[in-house]
Amino acid sequence: DGGITQSPKYLFRKEGQNVTLSCEQNLNHDAMYWYRQDPGQGLRLIYYSQIVNDFQKGDIAEGYSVSREKKESFPLTVTSAQKNPTAFYLCASSIPGQRGYRDTQYFGPGTRLTVL
Amino acid sequence: GQQLNQSPQSMFIQEGEDVSMNCTSSSIFNTWLWYKQDPGEGPVLLIALYKAGELTSNGRLTAQFGITRKDSFLNISASIPSDVGIYFCAGQRGYGGSQGNLIFGKGTKLSVKP
Repeated sequence: DGGITQSPKYLFRKEGQNVTLSCEQNLNHDAMYWYRQDPGQGLRLIYYSQIVNDFQKGDIAEGYSVSREKKESFPLTVTSAQKNPTAFYLCASSIPGQRGYRDTQYFGPGTRLTVL
Repeated sequence: GQQLNQSPQSMFIQEGEDVSMNCTSSSIFNTWLWYKQDPGEGPVLLIALYKAGELTSNGRLTAQFGITRKDSFLNISASIPSDVGIYFCAGQRGYGGSQGNLIFGKGTKLSVKP
């Protein structure tokens, strides 16, 4: 089945530790995204990547880092510099937007990160 | 970052009732998307709208892309218990680069009337 997988579903981290969240897709999509969701809030964009080996900061990139070495994978690292990392993290992918393309994003199941 | 104005924030439904929610923006969008999110899960795409004035249905769901390109609504007819969840609108200003990034509303939470 084609889709987006995120692991783990739940993640606990001690304050001051870095942690990496996994996102894999087999939809052959070029673009991938990371969002953060807090209670009562919409989704906020952390980083996005339109193509392999390239990525751009979103609205709330501070304290996060990403890599895009493979088309299928876009891991997100939450660093100790992120002041309030407890949140629900969502990964998405899409065919990259170009004129004539419909850039609809499809989401993974999410990872809930809790900092103890 | 910019967010869309989505209303209502929450509403209670009784089985069989029709439900309506909308999103507005000060900016023009080229695309409107409606997603549903169940607790602890990722959003699932319900309807995508690509042209001003477009009216699209998906079963009991109907959504429209406003003529001004600054708003969209979602209607659910004859609601059933599994309709509960959070519904998000998302808009896209253009295609490619940061213009292709989605801007989300804060969601409308549907709950069952006690």
